[in-house]
Amino acid sequence: EADIYQTPRYLVIGTGKKITLECSQTMGHDKMYWYQQDPGMELHLIHYSYGVNSTEKGDLSSESTVSRIRTEHFPLTLESARPSHTSQYLCASSWTGLNSPLHFGNGTRLTVT
Amino acid sequence: AQSVTQLDSQVPVFEEAPVELRCNYSSSVSVYLFWYVQYPNQGLQLLLKYLSGSTLVESINGFEAEFNKSQTSFHLRKPSVHISDTAEYFCAVSASYNTDKLIFGTGTRLQVFP
Repeated sequence: EADIYQTPRYLVIGTGKKITLECSQTMGHDKMYWYQQDPGMELHLIHYSYGVNSTEKGDLSSESTVSRIRTEHFPLTLESARPSHTSQYLCASSWTGLNSPLHFGNGTRLTVT
Repeated sequence: AQSVTQLDSQVPVFEEAPVELRCNYSSSVSVYLFWYVQYPNQGLQLLLKYLSGSTLVESINGFEAEFNKSQTSFHLRKPSVHISDTAEYFCAVSASYNTDKLIFGTGTRLQVFP
């Protein structure tokens, strides 16, 4: 069962458009993450958050931005989409603590034409 | 910094055969190790993890992995696979003092044939 929801599931959009990828979790997790996944490549952490009003950049530089106004919501925004942004974006959440595993959403597959 | 190498991008195998998916890691500090599974059109799910204690860890669906510190490996094994095991498997590592940064491998696609 999915306790972490990502919408849309698929998105095809033209260059220059502004887009927001939604991520919500119902588990009350304080930590949330965005990963970028390309075929045959590692998952790369692009953003994470420790809690409300906390956002940090991950290991992979990204032109996207995130916000964390509510515990359950962690949207990712691209102000001006480009073909290089074409990828799968995975949202995840976890409790604070060294033993807490990540719970992933089903991902948003973004294609920028 | 930590890194993970999954040597096999694809592993084809027949149903009921044994399988091993290889994972090697690099780290200058003690680590936690994980295997995640991604079924088609789904997100990743935790399969099993090594934090400390027994070096052999098991999942509920028959997979097991053994932490080998001397060989810096955490290979995933199953003695008899099912069609339903077809998926992408990701090995991941984090420093034991900081699990905010989970480093993933490139994944191994396990394809089970009837």
